[in-house]
Amino acid sequence: KNQVEQSPQSLIILEGKNCTLQCNYTVSPFSNLRWYKQDTGRGPVSLTIMTFSENTKSNGRYTATLDADTKQSSLHITASQLSDSASYICVVSSYNQGGKLIFGQGTELSVKP
Amino acid sequence: DAMVIQNPRYQVTQFGKPVTLSCSQTLNHNVMYWYQQKSSQAPKLLFHYYDKDFNNEADTPDNFQSRRPNTSFCFLDIRSPGLGDAAMYLCATSSPRGDRAGRDEQYFGPGTRLTVT
Repeated sequence: KNQVEQSPQSLIILEGKNCTLQCNYTVSPFSNLRWYKQDTGRGPVSLTIMTFSENTKSNGRYTATLDADTKQSSLHITASQLSDSASYICVVSSYNQGGKLIFGQGTELSVKP
Repeated sequence: DAMVIQNPRYQVTQFGKPVTLSCSQTLNHNVMYWYQQKSSQAPKLLFHYYDKDFNNEADTPDNFQSRRPNTSFCFLDIRSPGLGDAAMYLCATSSPRGDRAGRDEQYFGPGTRLTVT
């Protein structure tokens, strides 16, 4: 069964600190993996998208890694800001799903001053 | 700026009273999606249009219908809303590049929060 699992479910950190969010998937055949940021009451906004041949991709203070062998991805946030408080969703696409996105449950990040 | 617009942002309807949610896009994308997202859950795809071709997910209730009169607009109709249909409804668009990696970015609108009373 195609699944995407994220950990932790929620995380509280202090402003300025770094954090890493994890994503494990069982989607096959794998097409690409995306990380989205969703602010409360808003639609998801794409942070990164990676194919199997890409190990790492950065977008400002966000750095995503992908290990297609172990089917794991991480999202590292550097020097967190209050505005980073949001839900971070790992999403995987499969060739066999016709481009359909398989969503993780998200990690709820709260950055405190 | 090119974008995905959803109206209204907040909608309150009565149990059983038909309601229509609207989505428009200025990206000229040929694929438009409707997702339902309940509190603390991942978005769930209801259906999508690839140009004029309608693709319904197998587990989408018949209570949910959609119309796409032109490239720019797509509507979600809920014929008889129940209390369980209260959720955030997200519209998204994409323009598939046709490459094997399928890196067609999906651009989401801000969502419509539906309350059923």
